[in-house]
Amino acid sequence: DTGVSQDPRHKITKRGQNVTFRCDPISEHNRLYWYRQTLGQGPEFLTYFQNEAQLEKSRLLSDRFSAERPKGSFSTLEIQRTEQGDSAMYLCASSLRQFSGANVLTFGAGSRLTVL
Amino acid sequence: AQTVTQSQPEMSVQEAETVTLSCTYDTSESDYYLFWYKQPPSRQMILVIRQEAYKQQNATENRFSVNFQKAAKSFSLKISDSQLGDAAMYFCAYRSPPEGSGGSNYKLTFGKGTLLTVNP
Repeated sequence: DTGVSQDPRHKITKRGQNVTFRCDPISEHNRLYWYRQTLGQGPEFLTYFQNEAQLEKSRLLSDRFSAERPKGSFSTLEIQRTEQGDSAMYLCASSLRQFSGANVLTFGAGSRLTVL
Repeated sequence: AQTVTQSQPEMSVQEAETVTLSCTYDTSESDYYLFWYKQPPSRQMILVIRQEAYKQQNATENRFSVNFQKAAKSFSLKISDSQLGDAAMYFCAYRSPPEGSGGSNYKLTFGKGTLLTVNP
């Protein structure tokens, strides 16, 4: 297993277009997270899944954003009608659910979105 | 809500020297986890070190150590014998207690980061 994979690494699109990012987590990890990182800021939580269930969505995730994790494996994050403010790095992470312990996240390299 | 503050946007250090990165946080919880993550340019974020709040002993990982002051809500990272490969953005992060303690430890709250430059 090579860790968390994200695709594409960089996407340039025009305002109003739809984009989709894919994340493949570490295979034995049952939790998957999406974070957004804008220039000069730390990552901000967007949403997370436990297996296929989406258990929380941040208020940062407007109606134009949708995330899925069919069958509890890979996940997709779709942004509809992109706006320039959506330009950011979208980070995916995964972890193994633990009832105790630090529940350490493993991050992917990110998908950078540039909206023109 | 928890907040994490990194007051140093940029730091620089000479190779082989020691540098300390600062982090403060605000929380009303008594049990939690703190992390330092490293994000090299165009590469994925990796965990450097973690600290459980209930442990008084400061965590250490090779050249990396922390100074955890729970009462002051301070969590600084010390890098000894700095190497060129240490150059990166460093993020301090907070996580709530695990589910077994009544928390919901799925969310990390990050600071804005400190960009570390290592000069040869």
